[in-house]
Amino acid sequence: EAQVTQNPRYLITVTGKKLTVTCSQNMNHEYMSWYRQDPGLGLRQIYYSMNVEVTDKGDVPEGYKVSRKEKRNFPLILESPSPNQTSLYFCASSLSGLAGNTGELFFGEGSRLTVL
Amino acid sequence: GQNIDQPTEMTATEGAIVQINCTYQTSGFNGLFWYQQHAGEAPTFLSYNVLDGLEEKGRFSSFLSRSKGYSYLLLKELQMKDSASYLCAVREGTGGFKTIFGAGTRLFVKA
Repeated sequence: EAQVTQNPRYLITVTGKKLTVTCSQNMNHEYMSWYRQDPGLGLRQIYYSMNVEVTDKGDVPEGYKVSRKEKRNFPLILESPSPNQTSLYFCASSLSGLAGNTGELFFGEGSRLTVL
Repeated sequence: GQNIDQPTEMTATEGAIVQINCTYQTSGFNGLFWYQQHAGEAPTFLSYNVLDGLEEKGRFSSFLSRSKGYSYLLLKELQMKDSASYLCAVREGTGGFKTIFGAGTRLFVKA
């Protein structure tokens, strides 16, 4: 089954304790992206990646890191989480949007993170 | 910069038609998407427009005017299960693509 898988789905942590949210897709998509969703603000892009070893900042990258060592995986790293990073996080992937494909995003189920 | 505006909430009656508008300002436009998101779930793709005009897909249609920076999503024969948030999103950039989302329109369908 074609899917985007995120882990963990729920996490409560404390300020300053490094954590990683994993994301994996099995559709051979070039493009992957991380969003956070907060009430009234919608989905805001954190980082995206056009392909392996190619990453770029979205609109709200502060406090986050990413890596794209393999095509299927795009982990989100919070080196020193703070309470303002409490949010619902979505990973998404798509074809590139070039070569005539629409490039619609396929989303993971979301990871709800609480930082105390 | 980029900016995407859509109404915060709308209410409509089962069986009716509703139009959700979206206006945007962006550079390097490369397509407009509509996604549906039920409460507590992930967004799912509904429609895509890159050229001006209307795209129809069953009960859902989406329209785009690039010169006006305007799109709408039209939902016909509303059903209770259509109660959800509808997200307008614009893909921008040349080479490196970013997809930027509006805050979403929460649609309530009443009996």
